[in-house]
Amino acid sequence: QQPVQSPQAVILREGEDAVINCSSSKALYSVHWYRQKHGEAPVFLMILLKGGEQKGHEKISASFNEKKQQSSLYLTASQLSYSGTYFCGTQAGAGSYQLTFGKGTKLSVIP
Amino acid sequence: EPEVTQTPSHQVTQMGQEVILRCVPISNHLYFYWYRQILGQKVEFLVSFYNNEISEKSEIFDDQFSVERPDGSNFTLKIRSTKLEDSAMYFCASNQLLGEAFFGQGTRLTVV
Repeated sequence: QQPVQSPQAVILREGEDAVINCSSSKALYSVHWYRQKHGEAPVFLMILLKGGEQKGHEKISASFNEKKQQSSLYLTASQLSYSGTYFCGTQAGAGSYQLTFGKGTKLSVIP
Repeated sequence: EPEVTQTPSHQVTQMGQEVILRCVPISNHLYFYWYRQILGQKVEFLVSFYNNEISEKSEIFDDQFSVERPDGSNFTLKIRSTKLEDSAMYFCASNQLLGEAFFGQGTRLTVV
């Protein structure tokens, strides 16, 4: 069952912050975050393996609440290069190699 | 930097024809995947492959699809009898263990 992402789309001005949420109705082993620019392949941002774990990547960080089966991606001081569609991919168990992606959140950063 | 390469970048085929999409995963990776993305929609899992066999497959991956690793470097997706609804971008990905998956640039398949 695919995770649910919110919001579906967001427009930011440069320097503003955004939060993208990903929630699942199933227990999760890990959450992966990817960014895809138009016409390009998804690019890995980070993976979260443990409940409550937070990871950071430049000004992009994420958290994973295992109890709530939710992950959030935090983009701070957004740059024009952050524009794209963000997908969360969830992995149900350690023995499962399948990543189930949400529908994506389209982020547009404008000057 | 190592990368996953896919060929061709664009394939146009007639309905009912067979197509083979090719991928060269990163050389020391052990797990290989095919995903597809219909225009404007989410990325959908098709199949994972490890140790020369399918590990998992989705409902989309029916009998018309097959995967092969014919030699030590290539990983192929064959669609036996293409349908209009098979038109999509097909991404190959690979990784070590269960970490970061590296995606290729994709093959845009257009079935006419």
